[in-house]
Amino acid sequence: EIVMTQSPATLSASPGEGVTLSCRASQSVYSNLAWYQQKPGQAPRLLIYGASMRATGIPARFSGSGSGTEFTLTISSLQSEDSAIYYCQQYSSWRRFGQGTKVEI
Amino acid sequence: EVQLVESGGDFVQPGGSLRLSCATSGFPFTEYEMNWVRQAPGQGLEWVLNISSSGTSMNSADSVKGRFTISRDNAQKSLYLHMNNLRGEDTAIYYCTRSSLMAGGVFDVWGQGTMVTVSS
Repeated sequence: EIVMTQSPATLSASPGEGVTLSCRASQSVYSNLAWYQQKPGQAPRLLIYGASMRATGIPARFSGSGSGTEFTLTISSLQSEDSAIYYCQQYSSWRRFGQGTKVEI
Repeated sequence: EVQLVESGGDFVQPGGSLRLSCATSGFPFTEYEMNWVRQAPGQGLEWVLNISSSGTSMNSADSVKGRFTISRDNAQKSLYLHMNNLRGEDTAIYYCTRSSLMAGGVFDVWGQGTMVTVSS
């Protein structure tokens, strides 16, 4: 069973700042890593797949990187609408999510 | 427009049964693997089950194995979740999701969810 660990649990930043969220896998998931954004009262939305590929319609300020066990999601120039919980998910061995990082702006 | 619309969520007693439905539109349903993902109140996301595009292959998380099953009706473009022997820990929003053709195992479209509450 692959365990996904996200850090920090909560992150506070100001509009216009850049932030980096981390996701660590307990064993290698290669590049089989996705990121989702969930706003209050809404379903999650796919942001990134393949560790670094932006999903359709996702703004360029969202970028993903990493491979193996260490991954990051970077949001450059935060906007107010980016307040949300961000989840990473591995799909190398079944499907498992991290516990989420809450971004407060 | 691609749409997934869940229904069937309800309040049910422990040990009870429930069937959730997901009506789809806007994409070739028969080409896609489909899934159910759930989220307990105030908690994170948990993949529950998936089913192949043809409906011949299914997989489930250990937490629901032997109690939940998944099915689909390709003619009706619908997905179903059959839930038996429900427990309090099954209380959650249940999301119908589509697996990406670009990367299997990635959930590229989500429904709005339907709430299941298990309590006496």
